[in-house]
Amino acid sequence: GAVVSQHPSWVICKSGTSVKIECRSLDFQATTMFWYRQFPKQSLMLMATSNEGSKATYEQGVEKDKFLINHASLTLSTLTVTSAHPEDSSFYICSARVSATSGRNEQFFGPGTRLTVL
Amino acid sequence: KNQVEQSPQSLIILEGKNCTLQCNYTVSPFSNLRWYKQDTGRGPVSLTIMTFSENTKSNGRYTATLDADTKQSSLHITASQLSDSASYICVVSERDSSYKLIFGSGTRLLVRP
Repeated sequence: GAVVSQHPSWVICKSGTSVKIECRSLDFQATTMFWYRQFPKQSLMLMATSNEGSKATYEQGVEKDKFLINHASLTLSTLTVTSAHPEDSSFYICSARVSATSGRNEQFFGPGTRLTVL
Repeated sequence: KNQVEQSPQSLIILEGKNCTLQCNYTVSPFSNLRWYKQDTGRGPVSLTIMTFSENTKSNGRYTATLDADTKQSSLHITASQLSDSASYICVVSERDSSYKLIFGSGTRLLVRP
């Protein structure tokens, strides 16, 4: 159980286009999902915290108008990189936290999405 | 400032040998400490999670220890296999409502035949 999927697993796009990445919790409800970015040989950096039905909370230095997050249901959150540029090329990973009502506080990570902007 | 530091930064060992990775943290208030394995190009996979009252936890050939007094943890890998080659990340969770995780920079382990 506790499987988190991401789609697509990799994407290549031209500079200036927008890219949407989906994060799904397959067998549990996630009231909170987190979006991370990871550059080569570095650890994960939290970009934003997404709560179902409300606006995402962004970390300092992360542009909310560039990285649009939607968490419309308890099993799906999306991250849209708008007007992507080569410096946005990175490995994007989401995680989902099991609903607090279950008494658990565990985050499960997705397999990641490799974004390359040409 | 809440921090998690890991050592060594990288490690090369021969197949079949044991190794120990270290993690020191300054996170307070402390909720739990997790060790993750991350293969290249993949998301992190949980190996162990320990709360304040737990001193050791095993998962197959992986054994994690926690000393909450000195704020240190270790991950011991026994009889290493080639598939153990990965980054091992120590992550600490604060005991508050944000559920944010504080990540160490990871130890890159390479197991050679």
